[in-house]
This record gives sequence, structure tokens and C-alpha cells, in this order.
Amino acid sequence: KQEVTQIPAALSVPEGENLVLNCSFTDSAIYNLQWFRQDPGKGLTSLLLIQSSQREQTSGRLNASLDKSSGRSTLYIAASQPGDSATYLCAVDQGGSEKLVFGKGTKLTVNP
Amino acid sequence: GAVVSQHPSRVICKSGTSVKIECRSLDFQATTMFWYRQFPKQSLMLMATSNEGSKATYEQGVEKDKFLINHASLTLSTLTVTSAHPEDSSFYICSASSGGHYGYTFGSGTRLTVV
Repeated sequence: KQEVTQIPAALSVPEGENLVLNCSFTDSAIYNLQWFRQDPGKGLTSLLLIQSSQREQTSGRLNASLDKSSGRSTLYIAASQPGDSATYLCAVDQGGSEKLVFGKGTKLTVNP
Repeated sequence: GAVVSQHPSRVICKSGTSVKIECRSLDFQATTMFWYRQFPKQSLMLMATSNEGSKATYEQGVEKDKFLINHASLTLSTLTVTSAHPEDSSFYICSASSGGHYGYTFGSGTRLTVV
């Protein structure tokens, strides 16, 4: 059974700092991995999707990497801003029925 | 980009009543829709997967007679929580896929409180 773990559970940083969020998964046979952002009481916003054949994806200040063999992904946020404060979720697609397995998330607070 | 509209955003109901939550894909055809539940400080847990025109597939431990899912068209899926109890209070969120593992669009979620 696939399990997704995100470390740390919470992170507080000053504005402008670069930071890394970690995601690990137990079964490396994944179809893709996706990073989402969730604001309090809101739905999910897709940030980056990495196919299993890819190593990384970039969008603006965000860079996500994938090491499928070791079951790890990282989300790098450059020059963090208070508006980046949210919970960041990592999810893996096992393939087949397209079901996503989510981690519990990392709650990020960027202080002005 | 793809948009999924979910309504209502918040609902409070009395114990024993039923609540319907709608999920609509606004600008694409969703061949598959997923329903998740999220308890505070927990992961999103998949409840069921529905394909247009067929019966939903429920995850282990999810009561199909309590959580009724209808996916009557390629743009609309509904989740009805029947005979709701306080323990059903949670954040329910849908997502839609047009197929092909190319990404998932999520609704904005529904906060259900059963009193």
C-alpha cells in the first residue's frame, strides 16, 4: 500500500528565504507526482506535475524534483513571500485508475 | 485553464438529514471524478471514483449506501451524504480528470457541519 510522507509538518521562515519541502513515497511504481497548494478552508491549486519519466519541473519561483528510484521528491521555493503561506501537499498517481495518494502536507508560514 | 465548480462551499445540517454536494467541470469533459474527505490536519482520503454513466467505485471502509454518488453527465457529479451524523462533519472535495493522467483539477471544497 502506497504511503506518502511529508517533512516537515510545519515550517516558518522569514521573507526572502529559499526553502525546500520534502516528500517521500514507499512504492516507486508511480505514474506521476503532483504538488498542490491549499489555502485554509479552500480547495487545491495544482503547482507542478512531474511525470515518472521526468526529473524536475519548474514554474516561476518553484522547482520540483523527482527521484523515483529512491521514492523522493522536493519542492524548492525561491525568494519566499508572505503570499506563499499555505499548506503544500504532495500526491502520487499510482496509474491505472488515476487515484491520488496524498501526504499530510507541510504548513508553510512566511513572515514579513 | 480547467475549472471545477463545487457547491455549496459551506453547509450546516441537522443530524439525520441528507446533504447534496455538486461538482461541475466548467470547460472540459470530466470522464472521471473523484471524491475526497479531509479531516483536520489529515491527508485527503479518497472516498470514491466515478465514471460518467456507471456506478461509482468506493474505497474500502466507505459506506456506499451512506455516500451516494451520481455521475450522470460528463460535467456533473454529485455526492449525497444520507442520514448525516456529527461524525460525518468534514471537508469534502471533488476533483475531475479528462483522462490520461495529465493532471487533476480540484473543486474549492465543501465544509459540512452536522449538528
